[in-house]
Amino acid sequence: QSALTQPASVSGSPGQSITISCTGTSSDVGGYNYVSWYQQHPGKAPKLMIYDVSKRPSGVSNRFSGSKSGNTASLTISGLQAEDEADYYCSSYTSSSTYVFGTGTKVTVL
Amino acid sequence: EVQLVESGGGLVQPGGSLRLSCAASGFTFSSYAMSWVRQAPGKGLEWVSAISGSGGSTYYADSVKGRFTISRDNSKNTLYLQMNSLRAEDTAVYYCAKGRITMVRGVIPSLDYWGQGTLVTVSS
Repeated sequence: QSALTQPASVSGSPGQSITISCTGTSSDVGGYNYVSWYQQHPGKAPKLMIYDVSKRPSGVSNRFSGSKSGNTASLTISGLQAEDEADYYCSSYTSSSTYVFGTGTKVTVL
Repeated sequence: EVQLVESGGGLVQPGGSLRLSCAASGFTFSSYAMSWVRQAPGKGLEWVSAISGSGGSTYYADSVKGRFTISRDNSKNTLYLQMNSLRAEDTAVYYCAKGRITMVRGVIPSLDYWGQGTLVTVSS
């Protein structure tokens, strides 16, 4: 049950687009279309941003989009805004009938 | 409005036990899988355990298997986590989270609502 691998930090200027990668294995990310992404602001509970690789829950901005290729999933934030500054975690269902999170990525808006 | 309120956290000595509770409201509790997720101070998220809507299926991370037990009382709309043989590395904020859908063929769903968490500190 190793954590999925994410870059520690990603930054961008307001209005730009950034992409966060999430690398797993064929036993998790690559094996199922059950990748999710969560946003967490300091001191707050996580918020679901993307589920089933690319679906957005009601109320989540369409500036957030998800995709997957092989064992790597990606979250793209377009039109970066100050309020997007937060930690982001990917997650996936696994072949061991467990759930695994990524290592987390701190997004900084310059 | 969906609400999840955790309770039961606190300071416990290594080897001790603690039971966390999560009171749910605003949705048909028995229809959804539920999970516990923890976050050590300054660290990332770690999935701990999940349970199906009926309570008949339970799943655990290797790090807690055999020490923690997840359960639910659908008549009280409450989720529990019994934690035994606690270790220093179990120190974390524990979140209760609602599955986005019911558990289909044992697949743990993504988590669409989270509580504010309860802090568990394991220390002598």
